[in-house]
Parts: sequence; C-alpha cells; structure tokens
Amino acid sequence: SQTIHQWPATLVQPVGSPLSLECTVEGTSNPNLYWYRQAAGRGLQLLFYSVGIGQISSEVPQNLSASRPQDRQFILSSKKLLLSDSGFYLCAWSETSGGAQETQYFGPGTRLLVL
Amino acid sequence: AQTVTQSQPEMSVQEAETVTLSCTYDTSENNYYLFWYKQPPSRQMILVIRQEAYKQQNATENRFSVNFQKAAKSFSLKISDSQLGDTAMYFCAFTWAGSYQLTFGKGTKLSVIP
Repeated sequence: SQTIHQWPATLVQPVGSPLSLECTVEGTSNPNLYWYRQAAGRGLQLLFYSVGIGQISSEVPQNLSASRPQDRQFILSSKKLLLSDSGFYLCAWSETSGGAQETQYFGPGTRLLVL
Repeated sequence: AQTVTQSQPEMSVQEAETVTLSCTYDTSENNYYLFWYKQPPSRQMILVIRQEAYKQQNATENRFSVNFQKAAKSFSLKISDSQLGDTAMYFCAFTWAGSYQLTFGKGTKLSVIP
C-alpha cells in the first residue's frame, strides 16, 4: 500500500530564515505531487504541483519554491521566511494513470510558525 | 470558475445518531469528481468518500454515504451511527478530469456528543 511522509511535523523559525520541508511517497511510481497551505480557519490553497522529476508548476506567486529531485520526493523551500508564511503545510499525491489521478491523498502535514 | 460552498460552519450530533452535511458547487465542466475529506484534530486530511459525476449511483463507504444531485449541483454527506471519532472538520472538494486543482469548501466543524 502507499504511504506518504512529511517532516518535520512542527517547525518554529525566525523571520528571514530559510525553510526546507520534505515529503516522500512510498509504494507507487511516478506520482503527481502537490503542496498545499492551510492558514488558520481557512481552507486549503494549492501552492505547487509536479507531474514528474524536475517539473514544477506554481499556482500562487510568493517567496516559496518547490523542487522534485527524485521521483517520490517533493521539497518546499524558502530563502527568507515571512510572518505570513506561518500555517499548516500539506503534501499530497495522486496516481498519474488508471482513471484515479483525480483523487489526492494527503500526508500528516507540517505546522510552521514564523516568529 | 469552480466554487464549492459549505453553508454549515458548525454542526453537532448525538452519538449513534445520523447527521447530514451539505455542499453545493458550481461548474461548467461535464466530467468532474467530488470528494469529502475529514480533518480531525491531528489535522491530517483523510479521504472519506469519492463520487464521479458520470455515475448516477450514490457512493457509499460503510457508515458514510452521499446524496449526489447533479442537476441541483448538490453533494451532501450522510454519517450514520455517529461515533466520537467522527468529530472533525469536514471539507467538500471538487476537481475535473485532467485538472490538478482540487477546490475545497471552507469546511463544516462536526462535533459528536456522547
């Protein structure tokens, strides 16, 4: 079966510091990968998605970036964090074929607090 | 633009009773998919149920079932025999064939009362 991991689970960072959040998926090959942010009391906002190694699409322009160095690894980064980057970050994956690519499965998330 | 509306910010239900959460959506797409996700206090987003728009039969998963009314663009979730572990935020979500965008409603906070 497929599993998705995210780390760290919780992160407290000062304003202006760099960020690296990691997501890995097991039990599947060539998945679509997604990064979402959930601000307090709000729904989910899609930040980035990837359909393959090195292929990144950005949905919202901001100071965050994403990379996919390996098939099942997705990284969310920032060079300098802003207070507004605080939130709950969720990684998700979906199949790329077989009629199930529309269904996304989420990881446990990372709580980020920027002070 | 696709929109998803959940009109009930909060609901409560007695343990073992049945509750229905409402969701409406707006789209011009013909081939689309609807989902209910559960987000417990741990905040992990868990898929509850999935419905393909081209299927007339309502999806069911154990105690969870949906009432999909395509013409009315309505997609409600019924939880039968509510359990304490059902306490969570419930999000309705929509996507269409070939899209990578999953559009979420603002959620309904469900509390199951012992």
